[in-house]
Amino acid sequence: AQSVAQPEDQVNVAEGNPLTVKCTYSVSGNPYLFWYVQYPNRGLQFLLKYITGDNLVKGSYGFEAEFNKSQTSFHLKKPSALVSDSALYFCAVRDVGNTDKLIFGTGTRLQVFP
Amino acid sequence: EPEVTQTPSHQVTQMGQEVILRCVPISNHLYFYWYRQILGQKVEFLVSFYNNEISEKSEIFDDQFSVERPDGSNFTLKIRSTKLEDSAMYFCASSADGQGVREQFFGPGTRLTVL
Repeated sequence: AQSVAQPEDQVNVAEGNPLTVKCTYSVSGNPYLFWYVQYPNRGLQFLLKYITGDNLVKGSYGFEAEFNKSQTSFHLKKPSALVSDSALYFCAVRDVGNTDKLIFGTGTRLQVFP
Repeated sequence: EPEVTQTPSHQVTQMGQEVILRCVPISNHLYFYWYRQILGQKVEFLVSFYNNEISEKSEIFDDQFSVERPDGSNFTLKIRSTKLEDSAMYFCASSADGQGVREQFFGPGTRLTVL
């Protein structure tokens, strides 16, 4: 069965420091991987995706993520956090060729302190 | 920038009543989805829709649920007889393709409260 795990409910980081939000996945075939961000009272906003090619993908607002097939991970990173990055972050996976739906993780709340 | 819109933003209903949640997907998109998020839980897939047909549905999407594209712009989710456990945030999404290469764009959600 397809699944996504976000092991941390919350990540706290000081402004200006690097941040990492972790995600691991399980699919039967090849994965398409996505990160979305949710601000209060807003919908899910797309940040970045991995489809194929370079393992390091760059996305919106300075975020990037690294696909690691051997560790089945797709961690979200940013070199220098901003207070405005504080939000709820969701990792999602699609099992290529088997389904159209996205399977989401439980979300990680990122809190950036000034 | 084009976006998915949803109405209403908040719907309060009595148990057993029918509700219709409305969505306007991005205009050139062909694949449509409904997801829901019960408070404090993960976002869950409900149904996908393409070419006026359901292409996939989850176990949650039972006979009480239906979807429709009544015209060229709207995409609706109907719950025939709401239950307390249907209280959740419902998200509509659309995509330009169904192969998953293109990302799904989500609306702001409709918060459904069943009393």
